[in-house]
Amino acid sequence: AQKITQTQPGMFVQEKEAVTLDCTYDTSDPSYGLFWYKQPSSGEMIFLIYQGSYDQQNATEGRYSLNFQKARKSANLVISASQLGDSAMYFCAMRETDSNYQLIWGAGTKLIIKP
Amino acid sequence: GAVVSQHPSWVICKSGTSVKIECRSLDFQATTMFWYRQFPKQSLMLMATSNEGSKATYEQGVEKDKFLINHASLTLSTLTVTSAHPEDSSFYICSATQRNTEAFFGQGTRLTVV
Repeated sequence: AQKITQTQPGMFVQEKEAVTLDCTYDTSDPSYGLFWYKQPSSGEMIFLIYQGSYDQQNATEGRYSLNFQKARKSANLVISASQLGDSAMYFCAMRETDSNYQLIWGAGTKLIIKP
Repeated sequence: GAVVSQHPSWVICKSGTSVKIECRSLDFQATTMFWYRQFPKQSLMLMATSNEGSKATYEQGVEKDKFLINHASLTLSTLTVTSAHPEDSSFYICSATQRNTEAFFGQGTRLTVV
């Protein structure tokens, strides 16, 4: 079974609109971390935001916020006021406790911001 | 944030030759480094995990004799693609982590074997 599921292969969004990228996960580990990374066409992986399973509040980093719904095992990324430079692949990833710090990756969502 | 430098950014090599890719953590000591391979329009595929001073742990299906990984110090790991063939052409990317922090990635290496 897939541990990280990103159901949106691609999205088009108008510039300045908010966008939500979906991510659901599956784990029986009570302690885990959830990450979002951005990969522009140049290839580098850029860390965006982190949510720990025991964190009480949703993580926020500038225009990025993580809508963490633990009971639903969902960790959606919300980008407010999208910009043309937000066009990229976005990956959701999970790290479980006993994993030697390995990340389990989702398939990614290609986000294109339209001017 | 922490910086991981990967070199070279792109390389073209002849079939049958070997290519070495370096991954350096510039401002922190990386206890664990990971090597990934990424095919076009796909997610990252973990190839191996390396801890400083010990042998790398390879994922199932990854040939350890073909993809040699050396993690000689807390700041340097290398991936050598030996006797490269066109099917080894891909995007290779490393990441480094320092215990319970986010993983920091190198810029990636586009390998083309001709």
